[in-house]
Amino acid sequence: SQTIHQWPATLVQPVGSPLSLECTVEGTSNPNLYWYRQAAGRGLQLLFYSVGIGQISSEVPQNLSASRPQDRQFILSSKKLLLSDSGFYLCAWGGDRGEEKLFFGSGTQLSVL
Amino acid sequence: GESVGLHLPTLSVQEGDNSIINCAYSNSASDYFIWYKQESGKGPQFIIDIRSNMDKRQGQRVTVLLNKTVKHLSLQIAATQPGDSAVYFCAEHAGGTSYGKLTFGQGTILTVHP
Repeated sequence: SQTIHQWPATLVQPVGSPLSLECTVEGTSNPNLYWYRQAAGRGLQLLFYSVGIGQISSEVPQNLSASRPQDRQFILSSKKLLLSDSGFYLCAWGGDRGEEKLFFGSGTQLSVL
Repeated sequence: GESVGLHLPTLSVQEGDNSIINCAYSNSASDYFIWYKQESGKGPQFIIDIRSNMDKRQGQRVTVLLNKTVKHLSLQIAATQPGDSAVYFCAEHAGGTSYGKLTFGQGTILTVHP
């Protein structure tokens, strides 16, 4: 069965520091991968998605970037964090033709202070 | 852009009651809808989905109803249990090749009292 791993679970970073969040998927090959952000008490906003290695699409202009160095690895990064980058970050896989649902990881709560 | 919204941000019910969570959507081209359950500090969990060519779909204790005429989606939970307490999100898929690019509603907080 497929599983998705996301770490760390919580992270507290100072403004201006770099960021690297990692997500890996097991049990599937060539998955579509996604990064979503969830502000407190709000819905989910799509940040990036990837349909293959090295292929990244950005949905909103922001201070973050994403990379997919391996088929089942998706990384969310920032060179210098802003206060507004705080939030709950979720990695997901899925969204293939005929299987549009997404399966989410456990999330990373990022607090930028 | 198009949006998905919820009528009731909070819902409190007694254990054993049936719960109904509502969702309005505005994109008439949306062809697929999903309900997710999110517990505090966790990622959303898939509950049930429905395609636009259906009006109703049933799962274990849950039923999703789709009314395309008024662009309305609802989630019915039978015999609600304390473990059902969570935030519930509806999400829509706009169709075409936008696989996985779901638009989420704001969420409804369901609280089940024992």
